[in-house]
Amino acid sequence: DAMVIQNPRYQVTQFGKPVTLSCSQTLNHNVMYWYQQKSSQAPKLLFHYYDKDFNNEADTPDNFQSRRPNTSFCFLDIRSPGLGDAAMYLCATSGAGGSYNEQFFGPGTRLTVL
Amino acid sequence: AQKVTQAQTEISVVEKEDVTLDCVYETRDTTYYLFWYKQPPSGELVFLIRRNSFDEQNEISGRYSWNFQKSTSSFNFTITASQVVDSAVYFCALSEANYGGATNKLIFGTGTLLAVQP
Repeated sequence: DAMVIQNPRYQVTQFGKPVTLSCSQTLNHNVMYWYQQKSSQAPKLLFHYYDKDFNNEADTPDNFQSRRPNTSFCFLDIRSPGLGDAAMYLCATSGAGGSYNEQFFGPGTRLTVL
Repeated sequence: AQKVTQAQTEISVVEKEDVTLDCVYETRDTTYYLFWYKQPPSGELVFLIRRNSFDEQNEISGRYSWNFQKSTSSFNFTITASQVVDSAVYFCALSEANYGGATNKLIFGTGTLLAVQP
């Protein structure tokens, strides 16, 4: 089955220690998104890629970076995690049909910062 | 500004009861899309339905039905004869056509936690 895969499912890091979260997709979708979801809150879009074009949301902290080496993979890098960055990080993909398209989500990576 | 409000934080029902989850949205766009997603305890958001702003027809899919009313800016979701497997957080989301070209920004409500007791 076509899907969105996130690894690892659980990640523990130390305050200030860089961490990378991984997302891959078999849907061959042009667009990949990263969301942050804090406990009992709505998912919040951090940024997205349309093919290789990177689009950052205005309120995404500089501490968050992303890479998309090819169509299938996208990475979220947190350069210096703080306690406030503990959250579920959701990766999603969609086709290139604009606001019409539903997004397909991965299972998420739950990040703990000690 | 765009906004989605789900006023019900938590709902608890007993199996076989009907339950309606409310969603109210705000947007200045005339063209937009509304979505419902389900987030079970496993964490993955599962797409349930999409509705565009020009289509106010209600929709039924099995035990699920959706009522879209532009006059009240609402897109409510009803589960008939609820089951334990329906227990999850349900998110309503808005996507505006003016966001930008080929991509899509989902603006989520804060979600409603539905607990269906056996």
